[in-house]
Amino acid sequence: DVKVTQSSRYLVKRTGEKVFLECVQDMDHENMFWYRQDPGLGLRLIYFSYDVKMKEKGDIPEGYSVSREKKERFSLILESASTNQTSMYLCASSLSGAGSKNIQYFGAGTRLSVL
Amino acid sequence: RKEVEQDPGPFNVPEGATVAFNCTYSNSASQSFFWYRQDCRKEPKLLMSVYSSGNEDGRFTAQLNRASQYISLLIRDSKLSDSATYLCVVNMRPNQFYFGTGTSLTVIP
Repeated sequence: DVKVTQSSRYLVKRTGEKVFLECVQDMDHENMFWYRQDPGLGLRLIYFSYDVKMKEKGDIPEGYSVSREKKERFSLILESASTNQTSMYLCASSLSGAGSKNIQYFGAGTRLSVL
Repeated sequence: RKEVEQDPGPFNVPEGATVAFNCTYSNSASQSFFWYRQDCRKEPKLLMSVYSSGNEDGRFTAQLNRASQYISLLIRDSKLSDSATYLCVVNMRPNQFYFGTGTSLTVIP
């Protein structure tokens, strides 16, 4: 079974704090993704990575950065947290390739509240 | 126009009913299509991939209509345990997936 683990289920941070969200997968997947999910907006892609040290901006990268130093780990960083970054953050991983190879597997999510 | 659009529902159906959801997508060059299921406060999980010729998995049938750019999910003989939000997912560009906002289903005893 594919396992994608996010370091925290719930986080409460203050405005202006630097926040790290960690994600680890154990299936040697090339691709990793960070999404945020908000009511009425669905899942929106923040960043993805297709290889170690490689990253691509998604649809809403502003206010976020990422780090992928090892294949199994993909970190999302909020340099200076703001209240509009309160959300559910979901990490996912997948193989490279077309069709059923690029099925995404999700972690349990981190519910972040910025006060 | 959103890249992927779904009717948010909610769909409230009695046990045993048949229910169908549609999802439209904007990019005619889209390559892969999926239905995910998400339970309340949980992560999305793959329900089924959608193949060009249509495919079935037990009570679930998925269809793809490339000409009209939509995919559908049919659930037969609904169970209480089918209550969830169903997300349509479209792979439009390499490694980029677009999610619908989800369709909420409640199966009523």
